[in-house]
Amino acid sequence: GAGVSQSPRYKVAKRGQDVALRCDPISGHVSLFWYQQALGQGPEFLTYFQNEAQLDKSGLPSDRFFAERPEGSVSTLKIQRTQQEDSAVYLCASSFGLLEYSPLHFGNGTRLTVT
Amino acid sequence: AQTVTQSQPEMSVQEAETVTLSCTYDTSENNYYLFWYKQPPSRQMILVIRQEAYKQQNATENRFSVNFQKAAKSFSLKISDSQLGDTAMYFCAFMNNAGNMLTFGGGTRLMVKP
Repeated sequence: GAGVSQSPRYKVAKRGQDVALRCDPISGHVSLFWYQQALGQGPEFLTYFQNEAQLDKSGLPSDRFFAERPEGSVSTLKIQRTQQEDSAVYLCASSFGLLEYSPLHFGNGTRLTVT
Repeated sequence: AQTVTQSQPEMSVQEAETVTLSCTYDTSENNYYLFWYKQPPSRQMILVIRQEAYKQQNATENRFSVNFQKAAKSFSLKISDSQLGDTAMYFCAFMNNAGNMLTFGGGTRLMVKP
């Protein structure tokens, strides 16, 4: 595809359920970011990958959050035992760059609602 | 760690007029990048304009321009000839020189009125 693809676009989960959010970056993009965006707020950094290596996970809010990118392309953000405070839009972004700036391309996000 | 502050939660402007959105940031780095992103209800983050910190000249993209004051760590966005389609959330963002950390401000909701 031409852009970053995220699925599902909407997800409703009951509190306590596990969810998995998928990000398909642009082919060949080395860098991949996950952000959490609460309603009416700016995106907050969650984690960063270079290829398959998770170089920064300092933004993950708890050990219920886990991200992977096993083959250096598709990435999955997993949230275990979801809580209401996890309700947010989860944005994925990718870029070609390695160790230097290159334009970031964002997906349309997954809106997670925990009931 | 870098922080980005947008002090205007909401702004409004009449169609065809000019509006300025404010942004300040804090960093100890000398080389970095600054951005303004537009986010309409579709949630897609759209890059409006980019500024490299090593460039003294303010960036301009059609109706959008910035006032970059490096010493003051200020990076405001000016939208000229505002259009109804400019209505959206606007986020200021900072990226480090290595390109592996992008920090957003809290956003400004801009409403363009007919």
